[in-house]
Amino acid sequence: EAQVTQNPRYLITVTGKKLTVTCSQNMNHEYMSWYRQDPGLGLRQIYYSMNVEVTDKGDVPEGYKVSRKEKRNFPLILESPSPNQTSLYFCASSPTGTGWAKLFFGSGTQLSVL
Amino acid sequence: AQSVSQHNHHVILSEAASLELGCNYSYGGTVNLFWYVQYPGQHLQLLLKYFSGDPLVKGIKGFEAEFIKSKFSFNLRKPSVQWSDTAEYFCAVGTTDSWGKFQFGAGTQVVVTP
Repeated sequence: EAQVTQNPRYLITVTGKKLTVTCSQNMNHEYMSWYRQDPGLGLRQIYYSMNVEVTDKGDVPEGYKVSRKEKRNFPLILESPSPNQTSLYFCASSPTGTGWAKLFFGSGTQLSVL
Repeated sequence: AQSVSQHNHHVILSEAASLELGCNYSYGGTVNLFWYVQYPGQHLQLLLKYFSGDPLVKGIKGFEAEFIKSKFSFNLRKPSVQWSDTAEYFCAVGTTDSWGKFQFGAGTQVVVTP
């Protein structure tokens, strides 16, 4: 089944403790991206990657890191999480060329930073 | 930078009523426009998209949207809603200046009562 898989689904952590949210897609998509969803603000893009080893900042990249070493994986790293990073996070992927910008989303990761 | 505004945060309507959700964006260049939907307990999924050509775009599940360039709008419509259309709807914008960068609106929660 074609899908974007995020792990974990739920995560509670404490301020300053480094964490990684994994994202993997099995559709051979070149494009992947991360979003956070907060009430009243919709989805805001954190980082995106047009292809392996190519990443760019979205609208809210502060406090986050990403890497794209292989096409299928695009982990989101919080080096020193803070309470204002408590949010619902979504990973998405898309083919480029034909089908561009039809984003396939993961199930989301609910992160709470205490 | 572009921004996306959705006029209604919550909409409640009865089955068979018509639905129109407003979306405006602020960007002077060429845009790609999208509507995504998130049904309860499901992934975000694409309803329809506009890149160029006919400004009236038809999507899945009987939805359509009209791009009015002079009004910077991309409103979503459905002539007769069903209970299963209960969901949160997001308008999104991408630009040809920044491939891969997308902005989403805050979302509109639509509740259809039987």
